Amino acid sequence: GQNIDQPTEMTATEGAIVQINCTYQTSGFNGLFWYQQHAGEAPTFLSYNVLDGLEEKGRFSSFLSRSKGYSYLLLKELQMKDSASYLCAVRSGPYGGATNKLIFGTGTLLAVQP
Amino acid sequence: DADVTQTPRNRITKTGKRIMLECSQTKGHDRMYWYRQDPGLGLRLIYYSFDVKDINKGEISDGYSVSRQAQAKFSLSLESAIPNQTALYFCATSDWVDRGHEQFFGPGTRLTVL
Repeated sequence: GQNIDQPTEMTATEGAIVQINCTYQTSGFNGLFWYQQHAGEAPTFLSYNVLDGLEEKGRFSSFLSRSKGYSYLLLKELQMKDSASYLCAVRSGPYGGATNKLIFGTGTLLAVQP
Repeated sequence: DADVTQTPRNRITKTGKRIMLECSQTKGHDRMYWYRQDPGLGLRLIYYSFDVKDINKGEISDGYSVSRQAQAKFSLSLESAIPNQTALYFCATSDWVDRGHEQFFGPGTRLTVL
């Protein structure tokens, strides 16, 4: 079956660092995405990992371990505007295949407090 | 102007009515998708289309139909709306040649079925 797990809610303090974890079990793996979604708005792309390791993009970093079926999103120097849901999504199917269907986790609602 | 637009943005209708949600994109992408989002369930794929002549069912297609009128337009229809179709609906697009094949989401349509 297909399953993606991430914590439902997290709270962190402005200026701090927070790590949001995602574990997955899917039939095939062809990349993992992180999206940010503010309440009532569209998801927006944050990061993409297809190989093991860390991808850094400004204050946001994403890590992938394919052997463990595990990823995390790391947010540094938290700002109030980072309060949002963070969605982990896996593209299943064979590597290099033409399909691009994403399976989404239920999202982690992050509240950044002053 | 937004790259992916959805109309209407909000709709309230009654059980049994036929509803059409429309999506247009100016990104020139071949691939288009319809999702629904419910609290606690995340984003779930309804239908997707990889080109004008290609239509595929997602994980929750029952009660829905789609039409790909052109590369830039992808419509979702509810032939006879029921209350459990009350949700936030998103259209998304992607281009298979991009490295991450990230999906770009429209602003969403909030549908309420009474």
